Amino acid sequence: NAGVTQTPKFQVLKTGQSMTLQCAQDMNHNSMYWYRQDPGMGLRLIYYSASEGTTDKGEVPNGYNVSRLNKREFSLRLESAAPSQTSVYFCASHIRGNTIYFGEGSWLTVV
Amino acid sequence: GQQVMQIPQYQHVQEGEDFTTYCNSSTTLSNIQWYKQRPGGHPVFLIQLVKSGEVKKQKRLTFQFGEAKKNSSLHITATQTTDVGTYFCAGIDRGSTLGRLYFGRGTQLTVWP
Repeated sequence: NAGVTQTPKFQVLKTGQSMTLQCAQDMNHNSMYWYRQDPGMGLRLIYYSASEGTTDKGEVPNGYNVSRLNKREFSLRLESAAPSQTSVYFCASHIRGNTIYFGEGSWLTVV
Repeated sequence: GQQVMQIPQYQHVQEGEDFTTYCNSSTTLSNIQWYKQRPGGHPVFLIQLVKSGEVKKQKRLTFQFGEAKKNSSLHITATQTTDVGTYFCAGIDRGSTLGRLYFGRGTQLTVWP
């Protein structure tokens, strides 16, 4: 039982490049999240998916797109990376009323 | 929209001192959860409080949920260097149909030996 798996763990991008962060959970959770974490800013929600086929914007959605491919997978795409998107990204999942489980994080640097 | 405010943002204590972080919601919560994130790690679940006025203890950690279910606190007695990290609260709005969790900004705890 792997929990929440996100890839890649580390990535360096040039400004303007695109990339997709992949996330998968094997706990049959309905809800999935993408957060970014910057020093002193806590966890800021980028996008949220309450169930397969639905997505909602969080606090900081600009510059990102998401896809809830199926119940297991929730990907985050940066279409044209900017230095301001340098951050640590966490995927998470949960079932209502229960613990939220986080992936180990993806460290992204945009130069 | 719902907001979960957490204070203080930073706390520096000497080993052996106590530490408290506070969480306040703009709306009534159905439950509140606490998480700890070690430096370089990811947030890990500590505890969930559900009932009004609930108090739970985990060794040196004491968690409280307010009577109105709009605030919560985490108190650590006699901090140790292993307590270093960022502590987050997260709550679900009682009226939420989606059950989305809202996180506070976290309190970053530093413990001097």
